[in-house]
Amino acid sequence: QVQLVESGGGVVQPGRSLRLSCAASGFIFSDYSMHWVRQAPGKGLEWVTVIASDGSNKYYADSVMGRFTISRDNSRDTLYLQMNTLRPEDTAVYYCSKDSGVSGMDYWGQGVLVTVSS
Amino acid sequence: SYELTQPPSVSVSPGQTASISCSGDKWGDEFVCWYQQKPGQSPVLVIYQDTKRPSGIPERFSGSKSGNTATLTISGTQTMDEADYYCQAWGTGLWVFGSGTKVTVL
Repeated sequence: QVQLVESGGGVVQPGRSLRLSCAASGFIFSDYSMHWVRQAPGKGLEWVTVIASDGSNKYYADSVMGRFTISRDNSRDTLYLQMNTLRPEDTAVYYCSKDSGVSGMDYWGQGVLVTVSS
Repeated sequence: SYELTQPPSVSVSPGQTASISCSGDKWGDEFVCWYQQKPGQSPVLVIYQDTKRPSGIPERFSGSKSGNTATLTISGTQTMDEADYYCQAWGTGLWVFGSGTKVTVL
């Protein structure tokens, strides 16, 4: 069965960096685009970034452009999110999700909490 | 920017039909999908490509789209359907979620 397991969250001071990982299993990781989606406490879902199956194309939400970098290692079936210059408004649960290849995100991880606070 | 607008809340009695709208300010030919999220859980895809149900999603969930509005319909709503629902669309290089609708079954 498909599993997506995020790790790397925690508490970090404003201006610092953090890297999230998402270990994938149960499907051919290198065949699918992958996303990061976040949800601030008590708020709705916000799409953050996506990477193509081979890593050739990446897109970002305006709110993280220039600060966050998505990457993947298809040999390790792992997705990453490098988050730099973190701000308090980046505080959220971060989910990795698998693109269905047709429409929508058909599998999601359990999420990892990132708290940006001094 | 591209925005999807949903009503903040919808209330429905058990066994009745709940309808959730999603209005896009710049609809093109984008497909819409819908997610269900229960408290403390990750989102679950319930509708994709405007009208299709993933395997394992009950038939009472259906989707439609007309003009600039997509609609998620839950027929014969059950108490287990109480959750937040989000629409989502995809354009070139941009994925957008709606503001979310809390469905209360009472």
